[in-house]
Amino acid sequence: DVKVTQSSRYLVKRTGEKVFLECVQDMDHENMFWYRQDPGLGLRLIYFSYDVKMKEKGDIPEGYSVSREKKERFSLILESASTNQTSMYLCASSSQGRPNTFGSGTRLTVV
Amino acid sequence: RKEVEQDPGPFNVPEGATVAFNCTYSNSASQSFFWYRQDCRKEPKLLMSVYSSGNEDGRFTAQLNRASQYISLLIRDSKLSDSATYLCVVNPPRGGGGNKLTFGTGTQLKVEL
Repeated sequence: DVKVTQSSRYLVKRTGEKVFLECVQDMDHENMFWYRQDPGLGLRLIYFSYDVKMKEKGDIPEGYSVSREKKERFSLILESASTNQTSMYLCASSSQGRPNTFGSGTRLTVV
Repeated sequence: RKEVEQDPGPFNVPEGATVAFNCTYSNSASQSFFWYRQDCRKEPKLLMSVYSSGNEDGRFTAQLNRASQYISLLIRDSKLSDSATYLCVVNPPRGGGGNKLTFGTGTQLKVEL
């Protein structure tokens, strides 16, 4: 079974802090994704990577950046956390043409 | 128009009932379709892919209607454990690398005794 592991289940950060969310997958998938999920808005794609050091903006990239230095690891960075970034963050991975497998999510609260 | 639209529900049904959800998508060039299940405060998990000819997995049947641009999920003999949110997922062509799925906001199902 593919395993996608997110480093933290719950996180509380202060406004203005730099926040790192880490995601690791163990199945050599080319594609990795970061989504956020909010009530009534569903899952929205923040950033996407289809190869090491490659990244593409998703639907809501503002306020976020990403890093993919190794194939198995995809990091989401909030440069200066704001309260409107309080959300559930979900990492996913997939091989080409296959559906996503998700990590268990990080519930981030920015106070 | 949203790329993927679903009735949010909730659908409250008695145990043993048959329930069906529909989902419409806007991009007629979309190539692949899926249903995911998401339990409260958990991550989405793949329930089943949806094939052009329709497909069945136990009590679950998925169908695709390309002409009308909708997909459906039918659950027969509902169990209490089927209570969850069901996400309709479409893979529209977006260009760039890789495949980027578009998720509906989900339909909530509550199965009751």
